[in-house]
Amino acid sequence: EVQLLESGGGLVQPGGSLRLSCAASGFTFGNYAMNWVRQAPGKGLEWVSSITGSGSNTYYADSVKGRFTISRDNSKNTLFLQMNSLRAEDTAVYYCGKGPSPTGFGSGFDPWGQGTVVTVSS
Amino acid sequence: DVVMTQSPLSLPVTLGQPASISCRSSQSLVYSDGNTYLNWFQQRPGQSPRRLIYKVSSRDSGVPDRFSGSGSGTDFTLKISRVEAEDVGVYYCMQGTQWPLTFGGGTKVEIK
Repeated sequence: EVQLLESGGGLVQPGGSLRLSCAASGFTFGNYAMNWVRQAPGKGLEWVSSITGSGSNTYYADSVKGRFTISRDNSKNTLFLQMNSLRAEDTAVYYCGKGPSPTGFGSGFDPWGQGTVVTVSS
Repeated sequence: DVVMTQSPLSLPVTLGQPASISCRSSQSLVYSDGNTYLNWFQQRPGQSPRRLIYKVSSRDSGVPDRFSGSGSGTDFTLKISRVEAEDVGVYYCMQGTQWPLTFGGGTKVEIK
């Protein structure tokens, strides 16, 4: 069974940093693109970032470009999101999601993890 | 960016009756490989989102056949043939044809 388990969320002050992790199991991790999507309290879904299976290509939403870095360690079946210069508007539940193939993103994400909560506040 | 517009915002439905959600994109979602990357997700209360439909009309494993997707170009529809209590939640369309990937604002399905 494919499982994704996010961790690393918490309360951080504006301007601070956090590193999210997504531990994957049940599939050959390096064979699939991976993604981060967030959901602000009471709001809809917002795509944040994606990475190919090899890690050679990365993509970012304009709202996080230059502040967030997506990466992966295929030897440890883990996806990361390094978040710097955090702002109040980054407050959200952050989900990781498995892509359909090594370089494919078009068919969306399936499955999703349970999410980790990030709160940016002083 | 491709803007995804869903309607209605809220959809009260009687149990056993059909439901239909519309999703329109600001640009054609036909990709250069010939595929149309329009996907549908369900988010039940308190749960993570789950993909129901990918590439317009392909149903995910385990998704009941009362869910169906249709459409082309810029105009898409998710239909539930007979709404059940477990279908309550928010439904999102998402385009994967062009970066950045974008979601519709969501449609809340509730029981009358």
